[in-house]
Order: sequence, then C-alpha cells, then structure tokens
Amino acid sequence: GAVVSQHPSRVICKSGTSVKIECRSLDFQATTMFWYRQFPKQSLMLMATSNEGSKATYEQGVEKDKFLINHASLTLSTLTVTSAHPEDSSFYICSARDRTVNTEAFFGQGTRLTVV
Amino acid sequence: KQEVTQIPAALSVPEGENLVLNCSFTDSAIYNLQWFRQDPGKGLTSLLLIQSSQREQTSGRLNASLDKSSGRSTLYIAASQPGDSATYLCAVRPLFGGTSYGKLTFGQGTILTVHP
Repeated sequence: GAVVSQHPSRVICKSGTSVKIECRSLDFQATTMFWYRQFPKQSLMLMATSNEGSKATYEQGVEKDKFLINHASLTLSTLTVTSAHPEDSSFYICSARDRTVNTEAFFGQGTRLTVV
Repeated sequence: KQEVTQIPAALSVPEGENLVLNCSFTDSAIYNLQWFRQDPGKGLTSLLLIQSSQREQTSGRLNASLDKSSGRSTLYIAASQPGDSATYLCAVRPLFGGTSYGKLTFGQGTILTVHP
C-alpha cells in the first residue's frame, strides 16, 4: 500500500514555542491531506482538511491561527502548533489520499506532542 | 451529523476464541467503511475497507461485513492470538458533502486484549 511518512514521531517543547509536524506521501501524489488529533483513550477527531495550493478547511472549534496548515506541494503538508500550551499535548495523525486512487486514505505513524 | 459507535468498548478473551466487534453509524449515505488497528502510541494500520456496494471483505483471519441500510458493520476475528491485542477502530467516509468528502468519522474504538 501507499506510504505516508510523518515526522517527528515524538516531540517535547516548552510552553509558548511553536512546533512543526510534517506529513509526506512518499510514493504517490496527494491533493488532499487530513489532520487528526487524538487524546488519550479517545478516538480520532478531524481538525482540518488540507488542499494542495489552497487554504485549509478547519473543523468547528479548531483555531486556525493556532494550528497553521500549509500544503505547498502534492507530497507535503505541514501542521504548525503555534504558542503551544500543555493542553495542546496530544497525538496528531495525518492522512493522505492518492489523487489517482480515490477510494482510500493512508495514515502516517502519528506524532506525540508533549508541551511542558 | 454522522455518528459512529463501537461496541463493546473493551473486550478480553482467551487465546483461540473467535470474536466479533461491532460498529454502527447513523447516516447510511456512506462511500465506504474502513476498519483499522492501532497499537498503543502508534498510528493506524488499515485492516479492511468495504465499499458501500459490497457486503463483506476478508483478509486472513479477519472478515468484515457491512449492512449499509441498517447502519452496521461487524469485524470478525477468527482464532484470536495475543498479537491481535490492540485498539480496533471503524471509520466511515461520507458519500456526499462538498468539503466533507473524503474525511473519515471514527468510532471510539474497541480495546481488545487476547491473553495466552
């Protein structure tokens, strides 16, 4: 199956700093990527839909100025958590859909963010 | 708004048992349904994907069925093994929805423990 690489897998940062998470589709082109957030023992909640070359679409309740999404190419989307706070500590997972095979989205390995 | 519910929330079985995980969804206008496995602190591994026109999919010891009209899917695991211990998530993709198209709605998951 297609491979989605997410980096870093784990990051610890201080309150007030910004953290960037990368999501890359390694062997396919992805016009659309999705960013999810997962709190401990809870399911995945969609944060935003990232479309190549255009602005991301954010779900209700997600602060677009805090969670900056950039999808500058067909193989890379980034999520930047700005001015991070301890409550932003979570597991962030991206998924990408192959533009030529429109049936399935493929998931990255996830990023564990801890804000101290 | 689509809601996905998984029952049971947790399941503990002895090795060798056959077991069934349940998933229900409120809006039958789905494009497909997907079952995932998630190990602690890890990303998602896709197990089976059922298109809306299909009734079941099989892979090895796993069999997933879909009854779209009643809003239900089951994941059957035969001859369970300790290595099957993980959280199992089901997710549905909407058939329509403009900016919603392609994004998945996840259930809360079933935590499976298979003990030797």
